[in-house]
Amino acid sequence: GAVVSQHPSWVICKSGTSVKIECRSLDFQATTMFWYRQFPKQSLMLMATSNEGSKATYEQGVEKDKFLINHASLTLSTLTVTSAHPEDSSFYICSARSGPSNQPQHFGDGTRLSIL
Amino acid sequence: DQQVKQNSPSLSVQEGRISILNCDYTNSMFDYFLWYKKYPAEGPTFLISISSIKDKNEDGRFTVFLNKSAKHLSLHIVPSQPGDSAVYFCAATSYDKVIFGPGTSLSVIP
Repeated sequence: GAVVSQHPSWVICKSGTSVKIECRSLDFQATTMFWYRQFPKQSLMLMATSNEGSKATYEQGVEKDKFLINHASLTLSTLTVTSAHPEDSSFYICSARSGPSNQPQHFGDGTRLSIL
Repeated sequence: DQQVKQNSPSLSVQEGRISILNCDYTNSMFDYFLWYKKYPAEGPTFLISISSIKDKNEDGRFTVFLNKSAKHLSLHIVPSQPGDSAVYFCAATSYDKVIFGPGTSLSVIP
């Protein structure tokens, strides 16, 4: 149980385009979803936290207008990287949790984003 | 300032021996600690957790020890198996926030 599906797993696109990444909890209702970014050989960096039906809470230094997060249902959250540039190339991972913070997060397999 | 530290970026252990992965934290408000395991090109998977009111939690080959006064926790894997080779992240929670450490890459040598 507790499967999180993230799609696409890999995307390459030209600079200036927008890219949407989907995160779905397949067998549970995710009251909270998280979006992380991971640079090579570094830890997961939390970008934002979203609760279903409300606006996402962004971490300091993360541009809200650049990284649009939508959490329209208890099983789906999307991250849209708008007008992507090469410096946005990274590994993005979503996670979902059902319940309070002492419950584990369940992670998707990540999306490798490469901007040319 | 890193609130969760894993000072060993890598660790090599012989198959069958004990693997000990360490984690230190600075925030005394953390109330839960979790360990995640990550294979390349996959998302982290939850391994084991411990509440700040306990000092030990065991699940099969995995045991987590918490020393609150030292703000230190460790994950013991015994016996270690080649399939345990992965990156292990320590994480700590406070209110709704989860902070991850930088990870330790474990290699179990057959």
